[in-house]
Amino acid sequence: AQRVTQPEKLLSVFKGAPVELKCNYSYSGSPELFWYVQYSRQRLQLLLRHISRESIKGFTADLNKGETSFHLKKPFAQEEDSAMYYCALSLMDSSYKLIFGSGTRLLVRP
Amino acid sequence: EAGVTQFPSHSVIEKGQTVTLRCDPISGHDNLYWYRRVMGKEIKFLLHFVKESKQDESGMPNNRFLAERTGGTYSTLKVQPAELEDSGVYFCASSLSKAGGSYYNEQFFGPGTRLTVL
Repeated sequence: AQRVTQPEKLLSVFKGAPVELKCNYSYSGSPELFWYVQYSRQRLQLLLRHISRESIKGFTADLNKGETSFHLKKPFAQEEDSAMYYCALSLMDSSYKLIFGSGTRLLVRP
Repeated sequence: EAGVTQFPSHSVIEKGQTVTLRCDPISGHDNLYWYRRVMGKEIKFLLHFVKESKQDESGMPNNRFLAERTGGTYSTLKVQPAELEDSGVYFCASSLSKAGGSYYNEQFFGPGTRLTVL
């Protein structure tokens, strides 16, 4: 069965410290993975997708098929990065529905 | 562009009552999705419309949930009768029609409706 696992419920770091939010997935097909972010009082929004191989707001994520991981990284965390982060897997069937992990709350302290 | 809108933002009802949630997708988006997050758990897919047709309703928990999208515009999700375990945040998302192959169209999410069943 398809599954996305985010092992950390809360990750607390100081401003300027590196950040890594972990995501592992289970899917027998070719995965398409995303990171969504929800800032306080805002709606869920797409942060980045693996297929784009881009850096958004200083965040990057590399798909590692061998380890079935898609960890989100940023070298220097900022206070405005504090938010809820969700890793998601899109099933490449006709619906493209998203399978979400349980989310990691990132708290960046001054 | 207002984005995806949902109404109401909050709803508090008693067990056994009926509640109807509404979602207005971004204009021109054929795909409409419903998801929900039950307290302490992950966001889970409920169903997917393409225009007015149900493409995938594999995530609907039981027959107390009824979703419609008349005319392929806005959608409603009715819970009748509501149970305590239905409490949570219900999200709607919309996206453009996908192109051929594996191209993914970004899903744009609404602010969610927080449902509390007492």
